[in-house]
Amino acid sequence: AQSVTQLGSHVSVSEGALVLLRCNYSSSVPPYLFWYVQYPNQGLQLLLKYTTGATLVKGINGFEAEFKKSETSFHLTKPSAHMSDAAEYFCAVSYGGATNKLIFGTGTLLAVQP
Amino acid sequence: NAGVTQTPKFRVLKTGQSMTLLCAQDMNHEYMYWYRQDPGMGLRLIHYSVGEGTTAKGEVPDGYNVSRLKKQNFLLGLESAAPSQTSVYFCASSTQASGRSNEQFFGPGTRLTVL
Repeated sequence: AQSVTQLGSHVSVSEGALVLLRCNYSSSVPPYLFWYVQYPNQGLQLLLKYTTGATLVKGINGFEAEFKKSETSFHLTKPSAHMSDAAEYFCAVSYGGATNKLIFGTGTLLAVQP
Repeated sequence: NAGVTQTPKFRVLKTGQSMTLLCAQDMNHEYMYWYRQDPGMGLRLIHYSVGEGTTAKGEVPDGYNVSRLKKQNFLLGLESAAPSQTSVYFCASSTQASGRSNEQFFGPGTRLTVL
């Protein structure tokens, strides 16, 4: 069965430091890839997605992610963390088809220290 | 344009009680989904629907039922609530995949506690 692995359930960075959140998927077929963000007591909001085309994808709030097929990875980065980036981040994959179902990773809680 | 809304926002039930969670979307989306979110487990799909009048089981369907009588609404029912169903429930919707994958839009969630 396809699965998504997010390394590190908790990540802490200093304000202004690089943010790197890791996501790997298990599938021989490249999926469609998503990063969602969840702020406290809110629903999920799409940060960015990769479907086809350029493998480096830019999203909202200065985040970007690169699809690396050879590494089955889709890591999320931001050059300089801001206090407002503190949230939980979920990587998800989909294989489209007739249901458009998403398979989520277990999430990474990002803390930003002043 | 409200997007995806969920009712209620919070609910406390006793074991054995029943309730229905309502999800409504005003984006004319074909597909709708119910997830539960538990600490350390991400979001898991309970049931989903690819159109009015159709429903299907997801990853964790036991103890839940759903109905999609109108395109804009997707109801999640708990017939006899159990403490293991204490969770945060999210509804989502999307357009048809049409050969690729489309973004799912999420509601704000319902926090359910079963005592």
